[in-house]
Amino acid sequence: QKEVEQDPGPLSVPEGAIVSLNCTYSNSAFQYFMWYRQYSRKGPELLMYTYSSGNKEDGRFTAQVDKSSKYISLFIRDSQPSDSATYLCAMSARFRWLVFGQGTRLTINP
Amino acid sequence: DTGVSQDPRHKITKRGQNVTFRCDPISEHNRLYWYRQTLGQGPEFLTYFQNEAQLEKSRLLSDRFSAERPKGSFSTLEIQRTEQGDSAMYLCASSVGTGQVETQYFGPGTRLLVL
Repeated sequence: QKEVEQDPGPLSVPEGAIVSLNCTYSNSAFQYFMWYRQYSRKGPELLMYTYSSGNKEDGRFTAQVDKSSKYISLFIRDSQPSDSATYLCAMSARFRWLVFGQGTRLTINP
Repeated sequence: DTGVSQDPRHKITKRGQNVTFRCDPISEHNRLYWYRQTLGQGPEFLTYFQNEAQLEKSRLLSDRFSAERPKGSFSTLEIQRTEQGDSAMYLCASSVGTGQVETQYFGPGTRLLVL
């Protein structure tokens, strides 16, 4: 079993829809939770970073962490075609390397 | 541009050849990480440095792989006697830890194809 599980999709939604992306994890030592966006043939770009359980909002993006269930989510409101990319969840113990999910390939259709 | 840079961006080599990749981290970032990403997968950790010290190596890092960060600034990753299974994107990330927070910033990657 992988430490971090993420549905690879692909996920295709119409422009303006709310997108929900999710990951589950098994390692209780993970304290830091991140979402990265990766465009084709590019390096991952940090979108959201959370440390504690709860919600964190940044513009159209909301990250949610539930440590008791070992479950994290990313919500994208008012999705745009430019949001089409692969979304990677990542997590780590303190000052350790990141453990990534497989990535979810998202397409927003105009 | 003050981001993480990697060189070369693309490398095609024949099986059995040696290749070397370079990573220049964000200035003053004391931690530097190498990851490998294959098609359709998330990045996987290879090794990391704090300043010039290599603190951890993944089991993925076979004896054919070696990494250095000689002066605590740029880093190199060398693969000796390349195999077709080494074909992947090699990503470098750098970070600076401040209190509870450590955010890793990634470079554009070096895409390796072994023929």
